[in-house]
Amino acid sequence: DGGITQSPKYLFRKEGQNVTLSCEQNLNHDAMYWYRQDPGQGLRLIYYSQIVNDFQKGDIAEGYSVSREKKESFPLTVTSAQKNPTAFYLCASSRGTPSYNEQFFGPGTRLTVL
Amino acid sequence: KNEVEQSPQNLTAQEGEFITINCSYSVGISALHWLQQHPGGGIVSLFMLSSGKKKHGRLIATINIQEKHSSLHITASHPRDSAVYICAVGRDDKIIFGKGTRLHILP
Repeated sequence: DGGITQSPKYLFRKEGQNVTLSCEQNLNHDAMYWYRQDPGQGLRLIYYSQIVNDFQKGDIAEGYSVSREKKESFPLTVTSAQKNPTAFYLCASSRGTPSYNEQFFGPGTRLTVL
Repeated sequence: KNEVEQSPQNLTAQEGEFITINCSYSVGISALHWLQQHPGGGIVSLFMLSSGKKKHGRLIATINIQEKHSSLHITASHPRDSAVYICAVGRDDKIIFGKGTRLHILP
């Protein structure tokens, strides 16, 4: 079955710790995205990558970092510099630009900072 | 003002009713997406359209490019349609999301 997997589903972190969220896709998609969702708000773009070894900042990149060493994988690190990291994080992929291509979403990771 | 506005924010209806969710946007777009988010958080793409109308089962999506407006209709609504419906517009390399419409269908 083709799709996107994210792990873990729930993640708890102490303040001051970095944590890495996993995102893997076997759809052979070039583009991958990380979004953050907070209650009552629309999804906001953290980082995106249109091709391996290249990525761009989204609207709320501060306190986050990513890598794209393989086409299938786009991990997100939430660093201690992120002031309010408790949120629901969604990874997505598409064949190309979402202006013309359907986006496929992973099941999400709910991060809670204790 | 948000670039993508949805209405209503919340909608409760009886099973069988015809449902309409509206989306207005203020920017030039390449395509408009309708997404469904289930209570567990997973998001599924329902439609991507740039003109006219699309239908899939009981779901119909329309778009009017001149008026910068789209509607999502659900015919013969069912409790399993209860979810958050999200409108999003594709622009350049990104998607801009609306805040979503929370739909609750009562049996």
